[in-house]
Amino acid sequence: AQSVTQLDSHVSVSEGTPVLLRCNYSSSYSPSLFWYVQHPNKGLQLLLKYTSAATLVKGINGFEAEFKKSETSFHLTKPSAHMSDAAEYFCVVTEPYGQNFVFGPGTRLSVLP
Amino acid sequence: GAVVSQHPSWVICKSGTSVKIECRSLDFQATTMFWYRQFPKQSLMLMATSNEGSKATYEQGVEKDKFLINHASLTLSTLTVTSAHPEDSSFYICSADRTAAAEQFFGPGTRLTVL
Repeated sequence: AQSVTQLDSHVSVSEGTPVLLRCNYSSSYSPSLFWYVQHPNKGLQLLLKYTSAATLVKGINGFEAEFKKSETSFHLTKPSAHMSDAAEYFCVVTEPYGQNFVFGPGTRLSVLP
Repeated sequence: GAVVSQHPSWVICKSGTSVKIECRSLDFQATTMFWYRQFPKQSLMLMATSNEGSKATYEQGVEKDKFLINHASLTLSTLTVTSAHPEDSSFYICSADRTAAAEQFFGPGTRLTVL
């Protein structure tokens, strides 16, 4: 069985400061991992994905995440937060080429001016 | 490529009526489509998995007779909420699986409000 833990339900940062959203997973397989962003009343947008290639994955809008197997983590980072980054972020784990997407509980990111 | 649409984007209905939500893969064929439900300030919960031409597989606790899913073609799946009640009010999101893509492509969601 797979599971995802997002350690912070809410993260608040100032504009221009770094962002760190934490994600830990549990999987019996070598997983595929994703980060999605959801703005209020909107659908999901894929930020980046890890599918057993390079462990440091670069995504859209300056986000990146590093897959650390030893720590079972896939934390999302961005060097400098922008006001438009304020949204809900979901970490997702699935089996390689699997269909069973397991969503984390989400982290709400607030960006203060 | 890999665009998924949903229609309608929002719907308001009276209690006791039925509502149909469509999910379409616009530029690819989707053997498998998924339906999720999201309550306010919560994560997405998988309701069911539908495969083209066969019956949907429902997650535990999801009423099959209340949430009817039809996947009649490789580009269209529908979710019908029958005899809707206010507790069915939610954000419903579909996704589609593209062969060998190793990811799901999500629709924009449908906001259902039952009065």
